Amino acid sequence: ETGVTQTPRHLVMGMTNKKSLKCEQHLGHNAMYWYKQSAKKPLELMFVYNFKEQTENNSVPSRFSPECPNSSHLFLHLHTLQPEDSALYLCASCTGGGYDSPLHFGNGTRLTVT
Amino acid sequence: DAKTTQPNSMESNEEEPVHLPCNHSTISGTDYIHWYRQLPSQGPEYVIHGLTSNVNNRMASLAIAEDRKSSTLILHRATLRDAAVYYCILRDGRDDKIIFGKGTRLHILP
Repeated sequence: ETGVTQTPRHLVMGMTNKKSLKCEQHLGHNAMYWYKQSAKKPLELMFVYNFKEQTENNSVPSRFSPECPNSSHLFLHLHTLQPEDSALYLCASCTGGGYDSPLHFGNGTRLTVT
Repeated sequence: DAKTTQPNSMESNEEEPVHLPCNHSTISGTDYIHWYRQLPSQGPEYVIHGLTSNVNNRMASLAIAEDRKSSTLILHRATLRDAAVYYCILRDGRDDKIIFGKGTRLHILP
């Protein structure tokens, strides 16, 4: 149990579908992150929210739309995805604003786009 | 781009110490050195971090070179459960970007 919960664990969607990934943490953290991990590639930073404000968008295509309604919840809304978007999507949180606050990761959502 | 360089893979025997190296020659004075590991089918988990002095915790030790341009994660007695990808990253508190490199895949031989 990492303290960061991601749902669903697995998701299969067609290219015309709309779906959302959910991340929840009750660790009292203020910063939340979305990462993408494709097969045999390093983790790619997608978005960062700090105190509910988006502070980083790492040139992510608009078919990925993040939402952070409060410091405990983070969503990634997906629409008209491509097969190359199939990957493990990881959420993480930390206290934010400090050099040394470690990231706590969820176990990810395995997304398959057909 | 990641600011650290690690070997792609390493092997070690079970119950022996493991030394995982990391080079970070462009480290700045405000960068903390963090280590994470990712077990199969899981998200990365925090292992240890430090700034200048060597650090110990229940999972591992971190040895930091005097010039801070390299560091070594030490697993004192490897077990099969330590087989994972180990990531060394630099954490700068001035922004929220935390960039991961390719890491080192550690294989433990029984």
